[in-house]
Amino acid sequence: DTEVTQTPKHLVMGMTNKKSLKCEQHMGHRAMYWYKQKAKKPPELMFVYSYEKLSINESVPSRFSPECPNSSLLNLHLHALQPEDSALYLCASRLGGADNEQFFGPGTRLTVL
Amino acid sequence: KNQVEQSPQSLIILEGKNCTLQCNYTVSPFSNLRWYKQDTGRGPVSLTIMTFSENTKSNGRYTATLDADTKQSSLHITASQLSDSASYICVVRGTGSARQLTFGSGTQLTVLP
Repeated sequence: DTEVTQTPKHLVMGMTNKKSLKCEQHMGHRAMYWYKQKAKKPPELMFVYSYEKLSINESVPSRFSPECPNSSLLNLHLHALQPEDSALYLCASRLGGADNEQFFGPGTRLTVL
Repeated sequence: KNQVEQSPQSLIILEGKNCTLQCNYTVSPFSNLRWYKQDTGRGPVSLTIMTFSENTKSNGRYTATLDADTKQSSLHITASQLSDSASYICVVRGTGSARQLTFGSGTQLTVLP
């Protein structure tokens, strides 16, 4: 299995909802990432979970919270989002080592109404 | 500040033609540079990786070049196909304090029949 899977593919939610995005990989990678990508813009790093240590981009609001139940899963919990949070959310994983590739999942298209 | 600049922002070519995309970066110290292809609404997929000592690398119809002295890279696409229509993103990894990925804004390529 050489892919990163993300569910759901699409999500529409209201500003008062609580939802979660799921990311899974079975490549034995020790680092997993969440990115936010707006249309026609490059991905922006939100969180890194590497060797059981979480790193947070300080610009990410607290309404986004990552959770790593095990080394194959990285969830992103969403609460009280704003319409400007609508974007493509990409998950990626990497084996480790500077030259190793980040493998990206297909993304979750999130729309906040 | 570590930056990656890509040009042109968008490009339209006819099927079968060649094209070259440019990437200039200021990331330092430098570790590697990747070109990714991202189809609309999908996650990026790596095309090539270049390290400091590499000048040219090919992957099928894609050929990447790197000039680490001038901090420039290019991606040349030969005999374009309709399926080449996508965003091409240049991503640079540094070392030490610059070890996170720095993404360019991408070049949106459209191949017309």
